[in-house]
Amino acid sequence: GAGVSQSPRYKVTKRGQDVTLRCDPISSHATLYWYQQALGQGPEFLTYFNYEAQPDKSGLPSDRFSAERPEGSISTLTIQRTEQRDSAMYRCASSLEPGGHSYNEQFFGPGTRLTVL
Amino acid sequence: AQTVTQSQPEMSVQEAETVTLSCTYDTSENNYYLFWYKQPPSRQMILVIRQEAYKQQNAMENRFSVNFQKAAKSFSLKISDSQLGDTAMYFCAFMKPRIYNSGNTPLVFGKGTRLSVIA
Repeated sequence: GAGVSQSPRYKVTKRGQDVTLRCDPISSHATLYWYQQALGQGPEFLTYFNYEAQPDKSGLPSDRFSAERPEGSISTLTIQRTEQRDSAMYRCASSLEPGGHSYNEQFFGPGTRLTVL
Repeated sequence: AQTVTQSQPEMSVQEAETVTLSCTYDTSENNYYLFWYKQPPSRQMILVIRQEAYKQQNAMENRFSVNFQKAAKSFSLKISDSQLGDTAMYFCAFMKPRIYNSGNTPLVFGKGTRLSVIA
């Protein structure tokens, strides 16, 4: 695709419900990141993928959060038993292949704004 | 762990004037990347400028330039000839060096500076 896309753009849910957010990276990009951005804050790293491998999920705030990228392209972020503190913008970013030492820019999607009531 | 500090929550500047946004960071790494991102009201994240720590020359992109002081761990952004379209949140970000064949490392962001350009 032309850029990173995310869906839905807005999600309102009730506390205790599960939500799944989707990220569709740029088609040639092997690396995909998830960030959480609370209101008035900068984005914070959650996890990332190289193809379908998930080398680092140290930023996931609890075991209620999980991410998948089973075929190395589209990724989903699932939050189980949502809590009000999960309300934030969830951003996805992608970059080119991980090989080599050169820098590869991270291209960000428009984000999904999640509101937990 | 790396940290990024932006000490100016809000700033304003008159159109056509120059403004400087401050950023300091803390790291034990010798090689790394620094970035400024712009987040306009549309909430997109747009890369403004990038600096590699091993380069002594300050990066420049049109009206945007940086003052990179490695010893002081300071990385400020100067916007010249400010335009109304520059109104946005600006985030300073840090990235550790790549791990060979394992991809980029995550970005670490500051809390941002809200810049308003006034006509």
